[in-house]
Amino acid sequence: DVKVTQSSRYLVKRTGEKVFLECVQDMDHENMFWYRQDPGLGLRLIYFSYDVKMKEKGDIPEGYSVSREKKERFSLILESASTNQTSMYLCASTTGAGAPQPQHFGDGTRLSIL
Amino acid sequence: QQQVKQSPQSLIVQKGGISIINCAYENTAFDYFPWYQQFPGKGPALLIAIRPDVSEKKEGRFTISFNKSAKQFSLHIMDSQPGDSATYFCAASKNTGFQKLVFGTGTRLLVSP
Repeated sequence: DVKVTQSSRYLVKRTGEKVFLECVQDMDHENMFWYRQDPGLGLRLIYFSYDVKMKEKGDIPEGYSVSREKKERFSLILESASTNQTSMYLCASTTGAGAPQPQHFGDGTRLSIL
Repeated sequence: QQQVKQSPQSLIVQKGGISIINCAYENTAFDYFPWYQQFPGKGPALLIAIRPDVSEKKEGRFTISFNKSAKQFSLHIMDSQPGDSATYFCAASKNTGFQKLVFGTGTRLLVSP
């Protein structure tokens, strides 16, 4: 069974702090994604990565960066946290090959910026 | 062109009834249409998916109906159960190696006992 693990379920940080959200998957998947989920807005793609050290901007990348140094790990970085980044953050992974495959999600990190 | 519009935002159905959630898209390059189910405190999980070469796909009580000319697709949950109470997201993607999905805004379904 695919497991996507997000390092924290809940996180509280202060405005201006640099924040790291970590995600690890155990299925050797090529593709990894970071989304934020807000009520009434659904899931919006922040960044994704299709290989180690490769990254692509999603629909709302402003204020975020990512790092993928190892295939199993994908980190989301809030360079200088702001209150409008308070949200639920979801990580997902999927294999890159062939026909469309399910995205496997972690259980999310609820981040509050004070 | 990248949006997927989903309705209704919330839905209450009696146990045993039919739940219907609708989605519409603009981008004709989309060719994969999954539905994800999310329970409170959990990440979304794939429920059922369809490609545009068929008009309907059924898995148990869950059916996707797809209308390519209208650029619409819908999820039907037959004999809805309280355990189906969850948030449902439709999504769409182009058939590329990146597997990048565009999600709808979600429907919160409550099935009353």
